[in-house]
Amino acid sequence: AQTVTQSQPEMSVQEAETVTLSCTYDTSESDYYLFWYKQPPSRQMILVIRQEAYKQQNATENRFSVNFQKAAKSFSLKISDSQLGDAAMYFCAYRKDMYSGGGADGLTFGKGTHLIIQP
Amino acid sequence: DAGVIQSPRHEVTEMGQEVTLRCKPISGHNSLFWYRQTMMRGLELLIYFNNNVPIDDSGMPEDRFSAKMPNASFSTLKIQPSEPRDSAVYFCASGPRDKTYEQYFGPGTRLTVT
Repeated sequence: AQTVTQSQPEMSVQEAETVTLSCTYDTSESDYYLFWYKQPPSRQMILVIRQEAYKQQNATENRFSVNFQKAAKSFSLKISDSQLGDAAMYFCAYRKDMYSGGGADGLTFGKGTHLIIQP
Repeated sequence: DAGVIQSPRHEVTEMGQEVTLRCKPISGHNSLFWYRQTMMRGLELLIYFNNNVPIDDSGMPEDRFSAKMPNASFSTLKIQPSEPRDSAVYFCASGPRDKTYEQYFGPGTRLTVT
């Protein structure tokens, strides 16, 4: 079974600074997807960024970027120029590729990191 | 597009009562997922459907939980009888046929069992 581990229950960063959230995972699959989701107090789950395991290039979305190390099974999220609106719970998630086992598959989530932005 | 719709948004019930949570996926999506979020266990997958067929229900905690998807536009998650430990936020998510890596989450239903 796949597992996702987020070792930082809480992180704090000054506004406009850069912060990195850590995530490691365990899988025997070679093809899969990794995600970072943001959950603000409204509890809505918002997709921040996605990485396909077959791609060597790290995904970026504006101020958000990842450092994907497939051999190390590591998938960290870097938030640059932190803003007050970035304050939320951040969840790392794994999903195997549909062609690994047929059909869509559910997400396996880490326990989350609570990100605090200091003004 | 209206997004994934869940009802009710909040539910408070007494132990032993039957609870039914409802989900309307995004039109055209063929995958539907039910997740549960608690402080102790985090976010966990309960069950998912492809083309209205249940594929994996290994996450359903026990026989008190059941889920159905009678058609492509509606799914229910039922708890009978409910217990205080079922208190959680229940999310429904749907995914499109052509982009299986995508999942769109509903706003969740906060269930409190007293």
